Amino acid sequence: DGGITQSPKYLFRKEGQNVTLSCEQNLNHDAMYWYRQDPGQGLRLIYYSQIVNDFQKGDIAEGYSVSREKKESFPLTVTSAQKNPTAFYLCASNPPGAGGEQFFGPGTRLTVL
Amino acid sequence: GQSLEQPSEVTAVEGAIVQINCTYQTSGFYGLSWYQQHDGGAPTFLSYNALDGLEETGRFSSFLSRSDSYGYLLLQELQMKDSASYFCAVRTGGFKTIFGAGTRLFVKA
Repeated sequence: DGGITQSPKYLFRKEGQNVTLSCEQNLNHDAMYWYRQDPGQGLRLIYYSQIVNDFQKGDIAEGYSVSREKKESFPLTVTSAQKNPTAFYLCASNPPGAGGEQFFGPGTRLTVL
Repeated sequence: GQSLEQPSEVTAVEGAIVQINCTYQTSGFYGLSWYQQHDGGAPTFLSYNALDGLEETGRFSSFLSRSDSYGYLLLQELQMKDSASYFCAVRTGGFKTIFGAGTRLFVKA
């Protein structure tokens, strides 16, 4: 089955530690995205990538970094510079010409203690 | 700045019809999408309107008026499983999409 996988589903880290969230897709989509969702709020764009080896900052990129070395993979690193990293992180992708449809992974809930 | 406005909560009875409105103010506009998200889950795509008018998909319909910067999601024959959060989202250009804060729909028996 094609889809987007994110692991782990729940992640706990101590304050000051960097942590990397994985996102893998086998949909053969070029565009991939990372969003952050806080309780009772909408999704805010962190980074997006249109093609391999290229990515752009979204609205809240500070304290985050990404890489796009393979089409299938778009990992997100939450660095210690991110002031309030506890949130639900969602990875998404869409094929070219898809209009508004984005396919989402199941998400990773990160808690920084 | 850019913003999408939608009601924070809506309550309706099972079997009824409910409309969730979305007004937007963005620097670019390619189309308006709607997503459903159950608690703890990922958003799932419902519809996309690039042109004015009504799009129907089963019990769900979505409407867009570009001149009014306004759209809505219409849910008919409400079921308990429709209780969820609904987000409108605007594709502002290229690959970028902005999401509203979401409308929490409560369906009562």
